Amino acid sequence: GAVVSQHPSRVICKSGTSVKIECRSLDFQATTMFWYRQFPKQSLMLMATSNEGSKATYEQGVEKDKFLINHASLTLSTLTVTSAHPEDSSFYICSAGGQSNQPQHFGDGTRLSIL
Amino acid sequence: GEDVEQSLFLSVREGDSSVINCTYTDSSSTYLYWYKQEPGAGLQLLTYIFSNMDMKQDQRLTVLLNKKDKHLSLRIADTQTGDSAIYFCAESIKTGTALIFGKGTTLSVSS
Repeated sequence: GAVVSQHPSRVICKSGTSVKIECRSLDFQATTMFWYRQFPKQSLMLMATSNEGSKATYEQGVEKDKFLINHASLTLSTLTVTSAHPEDSSFYICSAGGQSNQPQHFGDGTRLSIL
Repeated sequence: GEDVEQSLFLSVREGDSSVINCTYTDSSSTYLYWYKQEPGAGLQLLTYIFSNMDMKQDQRLTVLLNKKDKHLSLRIADTQTGDSAIYFCAESIKTGTALIFGKGTTLSVSS
């Protein structure tokens, strides 16, 4: 069964709306989670590293005021796309794990479409 | 720098074996992964191998690692139409760090 749960799976909304995506680790505690973005027919690009109890670490070129990350508990990280615009439309995927010789597992992804 | 390379396409016939290849540049990679992505879906972990291993087999899947050449391969035996998907090779430099992905290999299986 899934070990990382991501919700919602699909969002369609108007330009200017803020959208929150949740990523939960189901059977383990995750002090670190990762948020990736995938454009059509392309690979996954790391956006940020979500750290429980502290600020997220953003990759170069990713606006931290645009993509707000909150990792308030050991099993939940949220990504909020603020004031979303059509260019933010993409597939967002989170992952957790990779500690103690365990592999990283990914959520099912969220397809965000901004009209 | 870190880089993971894969061929973009592979086409096989049902019942044949598929071999997807991957090369990476960082010799300090500790874990190497294969993920499968079906259209519109997330990533499914297929298998992974630690850098101190040469081979790992799991049912129809065989992973070979040549650390000297920094080459990783995924062999799918008796390929089925349901295996059609994009396969991503990924490396992890250190425990608990983000993965670095290749661009993915689209596997097309014809009946």
